[in-house]
Amino acid sequence: DAKTTQPPSMDCAEGRAANLPCNHSTISGNEYVYWYRQIHSQGPQYIIHGLKNNETNEMASLIITEDRKSSTLILPHATLRDTAVYYCIVRVAQRETSGSRLTFGEGTQLTVNP
Amino acid sequence: NAGVMQNPRHLVRRRGQEARLRCSPMKGHSHVYWYRQLPEEGLKFMVYLQKENIIDESGMPKERFSAEFPKEGPSILRIQQVVRGDSAAYFCASSPPFVASRNEQYFGPGTRLTVT
Repeated sequence: DAKTTQPPSMDCAEGRAANLPCNHSTISGNEYVYWYRQIHSQGPQYIIHGLKNNETNEMASLIITEDRKSSTLILPHATLRDTAVYYCIVRVAQRETSGSRLTFGEGTQLTVNP
Repeated sequence: NAGVMQNPRHLVRRRGQEARLRCSPMKGHSHVYWYRQLPEEGLKFMVYLQKENIIDESGMPKERFSAEFPKEGPSILRIQQVVRGDSAAYFCASSPPFVASRNEQYFGPGTRLTVT
């Protein structure tokens, strides 16, 4: 799976949009970009994923550049409860017999301030 | 639809005892994964199972650790003769049958193992 690079920490004001960048310059054509977050000591939570097109769900939006070498997770109206470590993970949509592990990096510690 | 369930949530064992951690996947999910998070460290993959089969155990320590996902019942992560270094949070995740475009994993709340 391709390596990702994220800033170690970011701050955001409550109610504002939080834009979390991720660099994955070695991504391959069959690799998806996944975002998870871990709120202090809880189990990681799936947020969103995409291949080429931008994606949006009830939690967030995912913007992937045209060359797919980077992406941005957008939380449109951050709340205090969005304070968490956010992980950008790139992985192949593998055949089920090949394994589907997630490789977590350091992630970005997002702190939403009142 | 209940999420991934893990029990116990907290487990205290003395050195040398056995620890058994249980994971019930989400309804309809046939794939289970175990991850470990040591204190102040990141999440590390341990093992990936489907019903009655271990698919990938490349992240499992070579000794004392084993995992199973029987036809009936929860997945079990078993740690024999625990040592202090096994103290960690153990997370289970599940995913539905494989579809290339939808292979997200859903995590349980974790079991926090403390070895005294």
